[in-house]
Amino acid sequence: SQQGEEDPQALSIQEGENATMNCSYKTSINNLQWYRQNSGRGLVHLILIRSNEREKHSGRLRVTLDTSKKSSSLLITASRAADTASYFCATAGDSGYSTLTFGKGTMLLVSP
Amino acid sequence: GAVVSQHPSWVICKSGTSVKIECRSLDFQATTMFWYRQFPKQSLMLMATSNEGSKATYEQGVEKDKFLINHASLTLSTLTVTSAHPEDSSFYICSAPGALGAYEQYFGPGTRLTVT
Repeated sequence: SQQGEEDPQALSIQEGENATMNCSYKTSINNLQWYRQNSGRGLVHLILIRSNEREKHSGRLRVTLDTSKKSSSLLITASRAADTASYFCATAGDSGYSTLTFGKGTMLLVSP
Repeated sequence: GAVVSQHPSWVICKSGTSVKIECRSLDFQATTMFWYRQFPKQSLMLMATSNEGSKATYEQGVEKDKFLINHASLTLSTLTVTSAHPEDSSFYICSAPGALGAYEQYFGPGTRLTVT
């Protein structure tokens, strides 16, 4: 069953602006991951944040995790048209390498 | 990085026929692979976990006799949709952990199945 719930469902911004997407989940996790999916394609892993971490950076990406609120956010700074895609959060449980439970995703449109 | 391929990219078949989708890890070995289904504008739903040399583990509500999974080698898992019906039309995606014990998954490009 789906665990993560992203909001907003869709986001439209201009190039250069920042994009923030949020994700909430329901059960305890080992880590939370963010993936990107271009239309009609597979998913690409962006970043993983462990349950004992609060913030992580990778290039223009910044992820936060609040385990007390069971929520995470993904910030893309200085967005580009090429960032247009759907973004999904996925949670992993505690049992070794684990199955992922995906949220519903946020569709991001970055206009030139 | 780890690369996962899928074949075919898209397939159109008639109702009642069976379709086989291949998932290959190209530059690494995968004792475990995952099969997902994604309907338009929706998220990925895990169908089953494919285990090399043993039976697949199916998620609740997924018919194992309809979605046959075979993981015969460390680099290949296949999903066969048997007696396909229009409601089976979907985007099927496979993935594999990049390394033993890794949580990150590498995804194939997906297979678009349309059943007429």
